[in-house]
Amino acid sequence: GNSVTQMEGPVTLSEEAFLTINCTYTATGYPSLFWYVQYPGEGLQLLLKATKADDKGSNKGFEATYRKETTSFHLEKGSVQVSDSAVYFCALNTGTASKLTFGTGTRLQVTL
Amino acid sequence: EAGVVQSPRYKIIEKKQPVAFWCNPISGHNTLYWYLQNLGQGPELLIRYENEEAVDDSQLPKDRFSAERLKGVDSTLKIQPAELGDSAVYLCASSAGRGRENEQFFGPGTRLTVL
Repeated sequence: GNSVTQMEGPVTLSEEAFLTINCTYTATGYPSLFWYVQYPGEGLQLLLKATKADDKGSNKGFEATYRKETTSFHLEKGSVQVSDSAVYFCALNTGTASKLTFGTGTRLQVTL
Repeated sequence: EAGVVQSPRYKIIEKKQPVAFWCNPISGHNTLYWYLQNLGQGPELLIRYENEEAVDDSQLPKDRFSAERLKGVDSTLKIQPAELGDSAVYLCASSAGRGRENEQFFGPGTRLTVL
């Protein structure tokens, strides 16, 4: 079956620090990979995605590269801001049933 | 463009009572999903609709849960009777198509507390 493993949080960083949130996956078939973000009190929002190997998704200073050889899709940002404090979910979709399979989420707390 | 609308945002009920959640997807989105998100976990699919047809309800506990999407637009998810373990966030999402590349747009969710 499909599964997504994320690093456990919470991750606490000072503003302007470098962020990495690890994500690895197992999938039957060729998945598309996603990062969703959930700000306090809000719904899930798509942050970025990649649909094939070596693709790099990017948005709002965040980046993630689809690494088929290591089955990974790590999220990075060079300089985090307090406003980036949220829960980040890694997810995949193989097209089978068109459903997203999510990781457990990683809470990021950025302090001044 | 209006996003996915869900109501109510919060619901507190006693166990054994019925409860219903409503979802209005983004206009033109034929595919609608209901996900369950337990505390500290990622969402898990309960049911997926293509227009008015439920095409994947394998994870829906059919003894107490039911869903409908009349006319292929709005959808309602019902629990009867509710149990303590049903306390969670119920998320609705929609997409313009299906397949592995399609973006799913999520509503804010309904937080259910069963006492």
